[in-house]
Order: sequence, then structure tokens, then C-alpha cells
Amino acid sequence: EAGVVQSPRYKIIEKKQPVAFWCNPISGHNTLYWYRQNLGQGPELLIRYENEEAVDDSQLPKDRFSAERLKGVDSTLKIQPAELGDSAVYLCASSPRWGEGGYTFGSGTRLTVV
Amino acid sequence: SQQGEEDPQALSIQEGENATMNCSYKTSINNLQWYRQNSGRGLVHLILIRSNEREKHSGRLRVTLDTSKKSSSLLITASRAADTASYFCATDAGNNFNKFYFGSGTKLNVKP
Repeated sequence: EAGVVQSPRYKIIEKKQPVAFWCNPISGHNTLYWYRQNLGQGPELLIRYENEEAVDDSQLPKDRFSAERLKGVDSTLKIQPAELGDSAVYLCASSPRWGEGGYTFGSGTRLTVV
Repeated sequence: SQQGEEDPQALSIQEGENATMNCSYKTSINNLQWYRQNSGRGLVHLILIRSNEREKHSGRLRVTLDTSKKSSSLLITASRAADTASYFCATDAGNNFNKFYFGSGTKLNVKP
């Protein structure tokens, strides 16, 4: 079974440019998460989806970040415009239905904003 | 914040020795998880322990949970160079089973 697939693996952009990350979760996993991980830190939750509904986006900087999960499967996270401080690894994770814990993470997208 | 805090921040041991990492948290939980992250990779789930459990084992891993002290420990026995990684604990928010907070991790270096 394929794990959580993310693309691209790396991305270098100039500040003020837009960028998008894509995630394909494990088949059948209803819950999908986007995390941001700064160097030397643990992951911080940006947004959580239950199927296609964003149930927790309290930590998503909505002025520049947006996300969608059409049809409750794949998801896209977008930043527009990117700032230098957005340089980080963006991780996608999925888990089975509510209460069962145990996330499966993708390998992440390492974003560098120059 | 509910984030778990790992201790120590960094740990360096010789192959064959045991490694112990600790995690403390602030509010009551339903579950606590431990993850491993190799450099440049995503996190890998190791063990989930529920609040009504005190100890769990998985191969060379042993996790304990003391809810009265709001703390957990991860023990890796007979460590190997391949265990070199960062280890994170993740705690839920007590009232939300599906939202976990991660600490800053313990960076383990196992020297061959």
C-alpha cells in the first residue's frame, strides 16, 4: 500500500511568489492534516480536514495561506504571496476515522523562500 | 500550550547502550504518541499509549505513561546506529481525540 504521497519534494521560490503543495493521503483515511515544521522544531498543525470539511484551521494564516480538499481525498495547500519566514518543511499526514490516532506522515515538501 | 516537551533536547550514546527520552505535558490527555524522524524525512509512528495504560512494548521500544505526573518516557534498548533520529512525543488535547500537539523533540545520536 502506498503511503502518504506529497509533491514536490523541494521547492525554491522568490518572496512574493505563489507556491502550492499537493498531498495524496492513504486510501480510506478520512482525516487529513497539514503541518509546518521549522528547523529544529516539532510539527505545528496548520489545518485538519475530516473528509472534505476543514474542522480546525485556527492556526492557518488565512491572509496568505489557503487549503482545499476536494472530494475528501487529495489536498492542496497554497501560499500567496510567500514570505521569507515561510521557509520550512510542510508535512501532510492522514489517519483513519476519529479517535483511532496514529498518523501516517508523508515525506514533506521543503520550501525555501529567497 | 498543551505541547509535550521532550527531555533531553539531545542525547549521544554508544551502540548497544539504552536510550531514555522523556516527555512532559500540561493538561489531561486521552492518548500520547511517540514518533521518529530521520533527517530530511517525514515522521514515523512508533507507539500510541492510552491514558488508562501504564506501559507498552514494541520490539526494542518501551513506553511508559504516568498520568499523575503528566509524563511519559520512551526507552530504546540495545540501541543501534540506525536508531539515530529525532524522537517526538505528541499529546492530544484531552477533549479532542484527533488533534495532537508535538514537542520539539529529542535528537538521538547513536555512535557505532
